[in-house]
Amino acid sequence: QVQLVQSGAEVKKPGASVNVSCKTSGYTFIGYYIHWVRQAPGQGLEWMGWIDPNSGATMYAQKFQDRVTVTRDRSIYTAFMEMSRLKFDDTAIYYCARSWELHGAFDFWGQGAMVIVSS
Amino acid sequence: DIVMTQSPDSLAVSLGERATINCKSSQSVLDSSNNKNCLAWYQQKPGQPPKLLIFGASTREPGVPDRFSGSGSGTDFTLTISSLQAEDVAVYYCHQYYRPPMYSFGQGTKLQIK
Repeated sequence: QVQLVQSGAEVKKPGASVNVSCKTSGYTFIGYYIHWVRQAPGQGLEWMGWIDPNSGATMYAQKFQDRVTVTRDRSIYTAFMEMSRLKFDDTAIYYCARSWELHGAFDFWGQGAMVIVSS
Repeated sequence: DIVMTQSPDSLAVSLGERATINCKSSQSVLDSSNNKNCLAWYQQKPGQPPKLLIFGASTREPGVPDRFSGSGSGTDFTLTISSLQAEDVAVYYCHQYYRPPMYSFGQGTKLQIK
């Protein structure tokens, strides 16, 4: 069955970086885009960026363009999201999700990874 | 950017009654190349990731109960739960995927039992 399993919770200081992984299984990794979406505590969903696992092409929301890097390792069917220069309001659950095409809904989601930014 | 606005922000409905959630987009999300609306609905229960219910504005994801239905086109969309069950308590989000990379979500509607 399709699974997206994310890395565990992280606590980081302001200014640090965090790397969240999303290990996939149960489908053809290179056949689906991987998106990253975050949700601050008690808030809604915010799309951050996507990666095409086949080509490695990426696209980011303008808000995150200078701080977020999404990569993938095809050999282990895993996507990664790195966010640098963390701020207090980056405290959120970070989800990965897949879509079959760019004009497509997100049909499977990871369980989420909590990132807490605290001094 | 396409702004998605849901109404109401919260809703309380009696068990067995109909629940209706609306979503309005600031621009049409109808893809004229295939006449499909790039609009999805998700259900999120506490402590869980969102779950896809509806895509293409009206197509149920496999396994989603048929009490869930989606309708609308262009800029105005509706998610209807025909007979509310206790397990439907959740926050519901609409999502436009018409204008990648600028995907956007509604602010969410919290559905509770009256």
